[in-house]
Amino acid sequence: QKEVEQNSGPLSVPEGAIASLNCTYSDRVSQSFFWYRQYSGKSPELIMSIYSNGDKEDGRFTAQLNKASQYVSLLIRDSQPSDSATYLCAVNIEETSGSRLTFGEGTQLTVNP
Amino acid sequence: DTGVSQDPRHKITKRGQNVTFRCDPISEHNRLYWYRQTLGQGPEFLTYFQNEAQLEKSRLLSDRFSAERPKGSFSTLEIQRTEQGDSAMYLCASSNEGGRFFGPGTRLTVL
Repeated sequence: QKEVEQNSGPLSVPEGAIASLNCTYSDRVSQSFFWYRQYSGKSPELIMSIYSNGDKEDGRFTAQLNKASQYVSLLIRDSQPSDSATYLCAVNIEETSGSRLTFGEGTQLTVNP
Repeated sequence: DTGVSQDPRHKITKRGQNVTFRCDPISEHNRLYWYRQTLGQGPEFLTYFQNEAQLEKSRLLSDRFSAERPKGSFSTLEIQRTEQGDSAMYLCASSNEGGRFFGPGTRLTVL
């Protein structure tokens, strides 16, 4: 089982719709969770972080965390063509030796005008 | 620009040559990370520094790879005797606690 799994995609939504991106993780001691956006040929850009159960909203983005189900999601409301990118879920564990951040393989999102 | 910077942005080399990449992290960040990313995959962890101390190395990091962060500021990643399988995007990131902030990456092509 992979440590971090994302819905494989690609995901295609019309402009103005809600895009829903999902991620599950295997390690119950995972402590913090991040969503990165990566445009083709570019490096990942941090867009959301969430540390406790529930929802966290930032503009059109909402991250949702359920530690009991080991599930984290990202909702993008009023999707725009500029949101078309690969979205990476990342899960962090703080250990005595340092901080281990594991990425999923990403979900490619296309927003159609 | 106060973000993470990497140099060079692109490197083409022949198999068997040595290459060195540089990363300058965000100045107030004490943690520095190197990742490698290939097409269609998420970034894979290579190594991690807390200040000048290299605290963790991935099993992916063979003996041909070495990284340094001599004064706890910039870092270098050297690959000796490059192989075609080393072709990838090499990403540097920095942080305090919390999310990593990535640099633009160095794209390595080994011919």
